[in-house]
Amino acid sequence: QAVVTQPSSLSASPGASASLTCTLRSGFNVGTYRIYWYQQKPGSPPQYLLRYKSESDKEQGSGVPSRFSGSKDASANAGILVISGLQSEDEADYYCMIWHSSAWVFGGGTKLTVL
Amino acid sequence: QVQLVQSGAEVKKPGSSVRVSCKASGGTFTTYSFNWVRQAPGQGLEWMGGIVPILGSGNSEQRFQGRVTITADESTRTAYMELSSLISEDTAVYYCAGGDVGSGLDSWGLGTLVTVSS
Repeated sequence: QAVVTQPSSLSASPGASASLTCTLRSGFNVGTYRIYWYQQKPGSPPQYLLRYKSESDKEQGSGVPSRFSGSKDASANAGILVISGLQSEDEADYYCMIWHSSAWVFGGGTKLTVL
Repeated sequence: QVQLVQSGAEVKKPGSSVRVSCKASGGTFTTYSFNWVRQAPGQGLEWMGGIVPILGSGNSEQRFQGRVTITADESTRTAYMELSSLISEDTAVYYCAGGDVGSGLDSWGLGTLVTVSS
């Protein structure tokens, strides 16, 4: 079973908000991890969006709009990327990443469709 | 922010090796964490390994150990990833990605397509 799991796809309407989840396997406490989020569009490298561990330990990527934000759901053991005011240009693949056992571990990615 | 420029596309035969380079401009080279992430066609991101030049040798994901060598040359500000015993499943875009130690991967190269085909 993968350490980090993401839903394969998500659809949302323009102007709405989308919550993308990054669930850690049982035994891995999300509260102890910084969750990193990336956006990737076809034919381009991933772009760093933000990092979130807590309200006192978070970072927005350079030039990333504030409508991209991070949070956690401890009850679900998951990190969350919230995108508010969805725009057509937000349609992309989104990956989460954690640092675990001296290695970077990526989730499988979520394809966000804006329609 | 550090800019990462990667070498060009490669076509290799099965069983051979490939070396991809990643030249850094800006930032402090020796304390920067250089990492290699690959993406097979239509698939997700997979971390292969990384190196912090001031610490010397790199480390790699267990499944690549024995096949991947990650090095860095301070004189040319270039990091390298060499993958040996290539198989068709190694066909992928290989990204150099980096960040300050203790941070994530906030800079990415454009990627290098490696095609393994007989």
